[in-house]
Amino acid sequence: GDSVTQMEGPVTLSEEAFLTINCTYTATGYPSLFWYVQYPGEGLQLLLKATKADDKGSNKGFEATYRKETTSFHLEKGSVQVSDSAVYFCALSPIQGAQKLVFGQGTRLTINP
Amino acid sequence: SQTIHQWPATLVQPVGSPLSLECTVEGTSNPNLYWYRQAAGRGLQLLFYSVGIGQISSEVPQNLSASRPQDRQFILSSKKLLLSDSGFYLCAWSTGFGETQYFGPGTRLLVL
Repeated sequence: GDSVTQMEGPVTLSEEAFLTINCTYTATGYPSLFWYVQYPGEGLQLLLKATKADDKGSNKGFEATYRKETTSFHLEKGSVQVSDSAVYFCALSPIQGAQKLVFGQGTRLTINP
Repeated sequence: SQTIHQWPATLVQPVGSPLSLECTVEGTSNPNLYWYRQAAGRGLQLLFYSVGIGQISSEVPQNLSASRPQDRQFILSSKKLLLSDSGFYLCAWSTGFGETQYFGPGTRLLVL
């Protein structure tokens, strides 16, 4: 079945460091791909998305490119801030069974000043 | 703009007690509605979804149930809570299947 695998956390970085959170997926066809962010004590917020191969989603300095050849959707940011500390979830919306999002297990990110 | 509300924000209940969590959406009509559960340290699991009033689909068999009495209201219920029902419950909406899902603030449930 469809699945999403994220790099294991937690990830701890210093402010202004470069961030990469890896995400790979297994799915039939060409699913839509998403990154959601969950700040402490809150629900999930959509961070960015891509709906077809080679699309790049971007928001708040974060970027992710839909790579069909490597079935990946890695999240990157050039210079992280303390306020980026949160849990990040990679997800896909499958072609079949599109009523649900399939989530990765989440990666907890902590940014130290 | 659309907004989604959930309440209560936090709930502590004894084992065997009933449960009712409510979710409402504003600013849209005939949304798809979803209930997810996030267990501690894990990803999200879809529990129920609904495409219209009175229409409920269950993804995982368990002691929870869902209802949609109005177009923009989605309720998660249980007659008798189990310890394993503890978790963070998230409601979400979308305009259709495969579209972006937008999440509410969540309800943190602790069953003791």
